[in-house]
Amino acid sequence: DVKVTQSSRYLVKRTGEKVFLECVQDMDHENMFWYRQDPGLGLRLIYFSYDVKMKEKGDIPEGYSVSREKKERFSLILESASTNQTSMYLCASSILRTVTEAFFGQGTRLTVV
Amino acid sequence: TQLLEQSPQFLSIQEGENLTVYCNSSSVFSSLQWYRQEPGEGPVLLVTVVTGGEVKKLKRLTFQFGDARKDSSLHITAAQPGDTGLYLCAGGDSGYALNFGKGTSLLVTP
Repeated sequence: DVKVTQSSRYLVKRTGEKVFLECVQDMDHENMFWYRQDPGLGLRLIYFSYDVKMKEKGDIPEGYSVSREKKERFSLILESASTNQTSMYLCASSILRTVTEAFFGQGTRLTVV
Repeated sequence: TQLLEQSPQFLSIQEGENLTVYCNSSSVFSSLQWYRQEPGEGPVLLVTVVTGGEVKKLKRLTFQFGDARKDSSLHITAAQPGDTGLYLCAGGDSGYALNFGKGTSLLVTP
C-alpha cells in the first residue's frame, strides 16, 4: 500500500519561529510536492522537486524554502513563520512522468499565533 | 499556470438525487484527473481521463473529458451520504506538477 507520511497532523507555532514540515514517501517516487490549501483558494503549489537536491518554485514560494537530501524525504521550511502562513499543508509524490497520479499525505494543519 | 474553474463551488442535496459538477479551462490538457478529499485528509485520486470525448464510469460516478480536452464533468447518480466531500479536478501543463481547481464541496444529507 502506497504511503506518504507527514510528520505532524497539527502544529501550533509562534510568529517568527523557524518551522520544519517533514514528508516521507515509501514508493520510490522521483517527484515530490508541497501544496497549501486555503478555503476559497484551493490547492496552491509552493515548491516541487523531481530529484534529490533539485527544487523548483511553484506559484507561491515566498516565505518558504525546501530541502531534499534523500529521495524519500522532502522538507518544507518556513524561515520566519507569519500568521498568513496559517494553513493546511499537503505533501504529495508521483513518478517521474508528466501528468501522473499524485499520492497525498494526510496534511498538516499549521496555526501560527 | 493553467487555470481550472470548477462549478458549482458548493452543492447540498438529498440522498438519492443526481448531480453534475464541472471543470473548465481555456487551456488544453493532455489529461485531467479527479480527486476526492474528505475533511482532515489528503485528496485521493478517483480517475484520470486522457482522450478527448472519453467517458469513464466508477460505480455511480461518470466522468467525461471534453472533445477539445479543455473541460470535464463528474456526474453522480443517486448520491449517498458517503459521497460527501470536496471534489477536485487537476491537470498538468508542460511540467510535472498538477494544477488544481478550487473544488466543489458536496454535502449529501440522508
